[in-house]
Amino acid sequence: DAGVIQSPRHEVTEMGQEVTLRCKPISGHNSLFWYRQTMMRGLELLIYFNNNVPIDDSGMPEDRFSAKMPNASFSTLKIQPSEPRDSAVYFCASSLQGSTEAFFGQGTRLTVV
Amino acid sequence: SQQGEEDPQALSIQEGENATMNCSYKTSINNLQWYRQNSGRGLVHLILIRSNEREKHSGRLRVTLDTSKKSSSLLITASRAADTASYFCATGLFSGGGADGLTFGKGTHLIIQP
Repeated sequence: DAGVIQSPRHEVTEMGQEVTLRCKPISGHNSLFWYRQTMMRGLELLIYFNNNVPIDDSGMPEDRFSAKMPNASFSTLKIQPSEPRDSAVYFCASSLQGSTEAFFGQGTRLTVV
Repeated sequence: SQQGEEDPQALSIQEGENATMNCSYKTSINNLQWYRQNSGRGLVHLILIRSNEREKHSGRLRVTLDTSKKSSSLLITASRAADTASYFCATGLFSGGGADGLTFGKGTHLIIQP
């Protein structure tokens, strides 16, 4: 199993540009999570999906952030427009619904200049 | 908001020594998990302890849980250079105890000096 796959691994963009982060969960997993990690705030849960349906998006910081899961094998996190304070490492994780263990991708390091 | 808070924030020890990290949390839990993060990588699940358990072992890892004090500790015995990483405790948002909505502390950065 290839694990959770995120792309790109690194993204550098200019302020105001749209950024799209991608995630492919582990096959068979039906829960998917997006986290953001910064030195100041640690690891924050942004949103999670069960069976492709968003369950809790209370962690999404602003309307500039949106996430979709059009099917069981793909999810996107979009920031439009991006701002320098969005610079962070964004992690996607997946699990079997009801399972206690989450499997993380390698993350996308986003830098907004 | 973060549920778990690890202590200390950073820990540096000599190879072969034992490393102890602590975690405090705020609300009732069904279980508590510990994860490791190597530099530049994602988090990896280490061990889970349920609320009705007081201690659990896995290899060189020992986890304790005190629900009355809302605290947990992770002990790594006979540390190795490869144990250098950040360690996080995580608790679930829901009483069902699933991975849904896991919240993490800021972690303890452990450095093992050769």
